[in-house]
Amino acid sequence: QLQLQESGPGLVKPSETLSLTCTVSGVSISTSRYYWGWLRQSPGMGLEWIGNTYYSGYTFYNPSLKTRVTVSLDTSKNQVSLKVTSLTAADTAVYYCARLGPKTTVTTSFDFWGQGILVTVSS
Amino acid sequence: EIVMTQSPATLPVSPGERATLSCRASQSVYNNMAWYQQKPGQPPSLLIYGASTRATGIPARFSGSGSGTEFTLTISSLQSEDFAVYFCQQYNDWPMYTFGQGTKLQIK
Repeated sequence: QLQLQESGPGLVKPSETLSLTCTVSGVSISTSRYYWGWLRQSPGMGLEWIGNTYYSGYTFYNPSLKTRVTVSLDTSKNQVSLKVTSLTAADTAVYYCARLGPKTTVTTSFDFWGQGILVTVSS
Repeated sequence: EIVMTQSPATLPVSPGERATLSCRASQSVYNNMAWYQQKPGQPPSLLIYGASTRATGIPARFSGSGSGTEFTLTISSLQSEDFAVYFCQQYNDWPMYTFGQGTKLQIK
C-alpha cells in the first residue's frame, strides 16, 4: 500500500528557508513512472499547487512560486523534498506531499496524499 | 490561470437525501476535472477524475458529470460519513493546476 509521510520543522522564521521531506513507502519513486510533488493549504489561499518532479529530474512549478521553490527526488532514500526560500507569513500553511495519478502523465489528478505538516512562519 | 468557482459555499442536506455540488471553470477544461473530499484534520481524498470516473474504492453513490466549463458532483443518498468539504480541481491547464474554494456539506 502506497504511503507518503511528510517531515520537517513546524516553525520557521521570516526570510529563512523551509526544507521538507516526504518519505514514500510501498513503491519505488525511481521506477514507478509517476510524478511526485507538493501542495499546500491555508485558510486564505485554499489549496495551492506548488510543484512536481519526475525520476528523470524533470520539474515544473507554479509560476507564482517558481522563483522561490525547489522540488527534488532522493531515489536512494525514496524521498521527495521541497525547499521554499525567502519565507513570509503568507507561506504559513499545511504542506502536503502528493502523487500525480492515477495516470502516469502530467494531465491527471492527485491520487495519493500524505497526512500533511503544518508550517508556521513567525519570528 | 483558470479560476474554478464552486457553489454553493455551504450546502445543508439531510442524511438519505441527494446532494448536488457545482463547479465552474473560467475557460474550458474539457473533461480534465477531479473532485476531492476532505474531512477535518485529513488530506483531500480523490473521488472522481476525468470528470466522471470514480477513483478506486469510491462508492457508486458518488457520481461526476459535465465537460467544458460546467461540472457537477452528485451524492445520491447521503451517509453520515459524507458530510465533509468537497473541492474541484482542473488539470487541463498544465503546468498549472488550480482548485475551487470548496463546498462544505453540512447536516440539515
